Amino acid sequence: GNSVTQMEGPVTLSEEAFLTINCTYTATGYPSLFWYVQYPGEGLQLLLKATKADDKGSNKGFEATYRKETTSFHLEKGSVQVSDSAVYFCALSDRPGSARQLTFGSGTQLTVLP
Amino acid sequence: NAGVMQNPRHLVRRRGQEARLRCSPMKGHSHVYWYRQLPEEGLKFMVYLQKENIIDESGMPKERFSAEFPKEGPSILRIQQVVRGDSAAYFCASEQGSGNTEAFFGQGTRLTVV
Repeated sequence: GNSVTQMEGPVTLSEEAFLTINCTYTATGYPSLFWYVQYPGEGLQLLLKATKADDKGSNKGFEATYRKETTSFHLEKGSVQVSDSAVYFCALSDRPGSARQLTFGSGTQLTVLP
Repeated sequence: NAGVMQNPRHLVRRRGQEARLRCSPMKGHSHVYWYRQLPEEGLKFMVYLQKENIIDESGMPKERFSAEFPKEGPSILRIQQVVRGDSAAYFCASEQGSGNTEAFFGQGTRLTVV
């Protein structure tokens, strides 16, 4: 079956530091890959996505590249802000172009200190 | 346009009682998904519903759990005779339709069984 393995948290960084949150997956075929973010007290929000190999998703300074050869979709940001403090979830869907029936990683708590 | 609304946000039930969780999808969305997040784990798909139909309930426990999405009103996730192992965060997501659309998540209902 499908599975997503995420870097364990919590992760604590200083403002303007470089962020990497690792994500690897196991799936048959060619899944779509997603990063969701959950700010305190809110629901999950789609941060970025990629639907085929070598695609790069980007949003709000965050980036992730779909690497089929390493089955990875690592999240990166060059300079984090305090407002980026949240829980980040990597996810996949094996239905092309769709966000239905997502398989999630366990989430990574990020805290950014001023 | 209000987002996906879930209520209650927090629910405490004694063992053996019933829990009813409600989800109002975004306006115009006819597809609803329920996910469960156990402590220290990622979200796990439970059930996918369209209006008046259960499309996929492959993630639902075989007993005590049921879900509906009536023609009028919110989607309901019902857990009968709750046990301590049902304690979790339950998230609802809605989607406009099939294909390349984004799923929007609610804030979740945190169920605690005492």
